[in-house]
Amino acid sequence: DTAVSQTPKYLVTQMGNDKSIKCEQNLGHDTMYWYKQDSKKFLKIMFSYNNKELIINETVPNRFSPKSPDKAHLNLHINSLELGDSAVYFCASSQGTGLREKLFFGSGTQLSVL
Amino acid sequence: TQLLEQSPQFLSIQEGENLTVYCNSSSVFSSLQWYRQEPGEGPVLLVTVVTGGEVKKLKRLTFQFGDARKDSSLHITAAQPGDTGLYLCAGAEQAGTALIFGKGTTLSVSS
Repeated sequence: DTAVSQTPKYLVTQMGNDKSIKCEQNLGHDTMYWYKQDSKKFLKIMFSYNNKELIINETVPNRFSPKSPDKAHLNLHINSLELGDSAVYFCASSQGTGLREKLFFGSGTQLSVL
Repeated sequence: TQLLEQSPQFLSIQEGENLTVYCNSSSVFSSLQWYRQEPGEGPVLLVTVVTGGEVKKLKRLTFQFGDARKDSSLHITAAQPGDTGLYLCAGAEQAGTALIFGKGTTLSVSS
């Protein structure tokens, strides 16, 4: 079983559309994250949830809305997609929020906005 | 915002060569982590260093945390094609904040 799974793997869509990416972890972790990796491979935190509560919300447009129905799931909904949203989005989880937490990443969702 | 600077950005070497990748910051970190990412996959943790001056070995990989805990290095001995990938260093400023990542070093090892 995959520890952190996200779907879809690839997402190609037109500007202005709304899309969602789903993430699930079966590790029993309390904390989940969304990271965005740009074309230069820079990985940047977007959001973090701990026990279904939002604890980190970096400077991300309001068009991005995370939702955590339970601590094993963290979905990402994006409204009015723009060209600049094209990137690889990674979901990750960790046991807690300590300084030395090991992050477990999903295999990414490559979003292409045309 | 703390920054983690990695160098070199790209490295292309032949099988059997040695190499070192660096991760530097102007800030002190309580710990630093190294991840490796292969194409089409997410990063996978290799090691966490927590004590200034600490050296950890993982087979042919040697990780060192600087004495002042502002920098770290990854040394690979006798590189193999299977070492090819993106190497990322990461650290957290304080508990409750997310890991920030360096911009990575893309390593290509050819046989």
